[in-house]
Amino acid sequence: IQMTQSPSYLSASVGDRVTITCRASQDISNYLAWYQQKPGKVPSLLIYAVSTLQSGVPSRFSGSGSGTDFTLTINSLQTEDVATYFCQNYYSAPLTFGPGTKVDFK
Amino acid sequence: QVQLVQSGTEMKWPGASVKVSCKTSGYSFSNYGINWVRQAPGQGLEWVAWISVYNGDTNYAQKFQGRVTLTTDTSTSTAYMEVWTLRSDDAAVYYCARDRESLAAVPHFFDFWGQGTLVTVSS
Repeated sequence: IQMTQSPSYLSASVGDRVTITCRASQDISNYLAWYQQKPGKVPSLLIYAVSTLQSGVPSRFSGSGSGTDFTLTINSLQTEDVATYFCQNYYSAPLTFGPGTKVDFK
Repeated sequence: QVQLVQSGTEMKWPGASVKVSCKTSGYSFSNYGINWVRQAPGQGLEWVAWISVYNGDTNYAQKFQGRVTLTTDTSTSTAYMEVWTLRSDDAAVYYCARDRESLAAVPHFFDFWGQGTLVTVSS
């Protein structure tokens, strides 16, 4: 299962609403997770099962979608949200990641 | 607290093998699978393989089948990944990551990650 993301890069301002899209090459139901990787750091789990926030993740992050099309939304972007975001399919092995979306500030 | 601590940087010749360890603590090791994910410099994430610590079942990405071996040692709560016949394009940071689902029969997603082990491959 191939995963694609758009855009590959985006720049936004503090307080902006940011939306990242992830698309699967076939129906993966709700078996989708999102990760955040800050520069030089280890990836961390943000969301699983499309929309369930991992413990400790701020509520400004949300996920939606089903089947093949998914979105990650950051409401009111904060300085600490500068990172690359990856979606991941776990519908079936091999597990696959999207290529990532780098979020930076204008 | 859950922790995964990996072994240090490795520098290898092409054709050599490398064994990376991932020592875990803070949870019941046998109840959660361990995944291995790699990230080449400046690149994205690539899933390598998964092992069920509970029963030893494994699942490898096809490109790594036969060249990667996963094992665990329940006496030390440590997981291992060995990569054989290293090539230059195997140079990457390798992460171990705990599977979020307890006693799962297949890999899912990852809630705790090791700090990463840099493997360089160069002649």
